[in-house]
Amino acid sequence: EPEVTQTPSHQVTQMGQEVILRCVPISNHLYFYWYRQILGQKVEFLVSFYNNEISEKSEIFDDQFSVERPDGSNFTLKIRSTKLEDSAMYFCASSEVRGGYNEQFFGPGTRLTVL
Amino acid sequence: AQSVAQPEDQVNVAEGNPLTVKCTYSVSGNPYLFWYVQYPNRGLQFLLKYITGDNLVKGSYGFEAEFNKSQTSFHLKKPSALVSDSALYFCAVSPRDFNKFYFGSGTKLNVKP
Repeated sequence: EPEVTQTPSHQVTQMGQEVILRCVPISNHLYFYWYRQILGQKVEFLVSFYNNEISEKSEIFDDQFSVERPDGSNFTLKIRSTKLEDSAMYFCASSEVRGGYNEQFFGPGTRLTVL
Repeated sequence: AQSVAQPEDQVNVAEGNPLTVKCTYSVSGNPYLFWYVQYPNRGLQFLLKYITGDNLVKGSYGFEAEFNKSQTSFHLKKPSALVSDSALYFCAVSPRDFNKFYFGSGTKLNVKP
């Protein structure tokens, strides 16, 4: 069964450093997403992406964040200058088509620790 | 503000007994409703969804969920729990015409032999 994969599983970085989290969505999916979960809190929507541009983004997704589909398979989330409060589990997801009624398929997550 | 509530952090049931994991929501319009399950070191796995129609929807692994519009609830149920059902369960709500989920805080289900 196809699945979303994410690398690395755990990333440790120093405050102020740039990090790139990588995701490989399911191959025939067209919509991609990033969510995050700060320890002990809810999973929160960050951004959705379609046709090489951002479709929607939350207020969390400020200028420190960017997303990219650098090739036909990868989908990345970049945090330019990490802050302590960026420590969280980051989930990538993909869906076949647009529309709130479509289930999203999630990866196992990348745990980001900012020291 | 849009919100999804899972009032129980943890639910404990004995194997073979019925289980219920509760979810209520406050999301504008007539949103779409989902349940996901997460096993350790795995991503969130889709269980079932309510789009329209019959208020009782059936999903994977024998789970079902009941939609109640007046109570804005979407409780997850299973008639007979298995030890292997022990996991973290998330309720998610998606507004119509939007492409994002609002998640509940998750409920840890413990099924004891």
